Amino acid sequence: QITLKESGPTLVRPTQTLTLTCTFSGFSLTTTGVGVGWIRQPPGKALEWIALIYWDDDKRFSPSLKSRLTITKDTSKNQVVLTMTNVDPVDTATYYCAQWLGHEFDPWGQGILVTVSS
Amino acid sequence: DIVMTQSPLSLPVTPGEPASISCRSNQSLQHRSGDNYLDWYLQKPGQSPQLLIYLASNRASGVPDRFSGSGSGTDFTLRISRVEAEDVGVYYCMQALQAPLTFGGGTKVEIK
Repeated sequence: QITLKESGPTLVRPTQTLTLTCTFSGFSLTTTGVGVGWIRQPPGKALEWIALIYWDDDKRFSPSLKSRLTITKDTSKNQVVLTMTNVDPVDTATYYCAQWLGHEFDPWGQGILVTVSS
Repeated sequence: DIVMTQSPLSLPVTPGEPASISCRSNQSLQHRSGDNYLDWYLQKPGQSPQLLIYLASNRASGVPDRFSGSGSGTDFTLRISRVEAEDVGVYYCMQALQAPLTFGGGTKVEIK
């Protein structure tokens, strides 16, 4: 059974750095073709893809967020870490991580609601 | 960026009746392999999104066969042959052809 779970702070102050961790089980990020992606959803709004890291450490980012994002993987811990700098209230959202299988995300984690507020 | 447009925005449905959702992209989603890189996800109330359909027409594991996906190029459809109460939620299409990956705005399916 494949599971993913997001962890990190639920409240962040504007201009601070947000660090989210995706801890997964049931698959390996050393397997060819596999990746882990991050997708966010502001309250009441649609899904927005933000980042993806592949088994070979290739990385892709949303162009609108690229300058603020870092994504890394630790295959020994089965974790992927997303860092977003200089957060703003518009970054308030539920952040999901999900396994990437080459052309789809499956499954998804439960999500973590992150609020950016002073 | 590839823009994904879904319609309708809201879809009231009667249990037992069919339903369909349209998703259009502003450029072809056909990969050089011939596959169309289009996924459908369902987000049930209070839950995370779940994969329904990948590569335009392939049902994900455990997805009931009342769900089907079709289409090619820029025009795609998700069909539910007979809607059940558990099918309520927001349906999203997503293009998986190229980064940035992009989602449609969602279609909210609710029971009449």
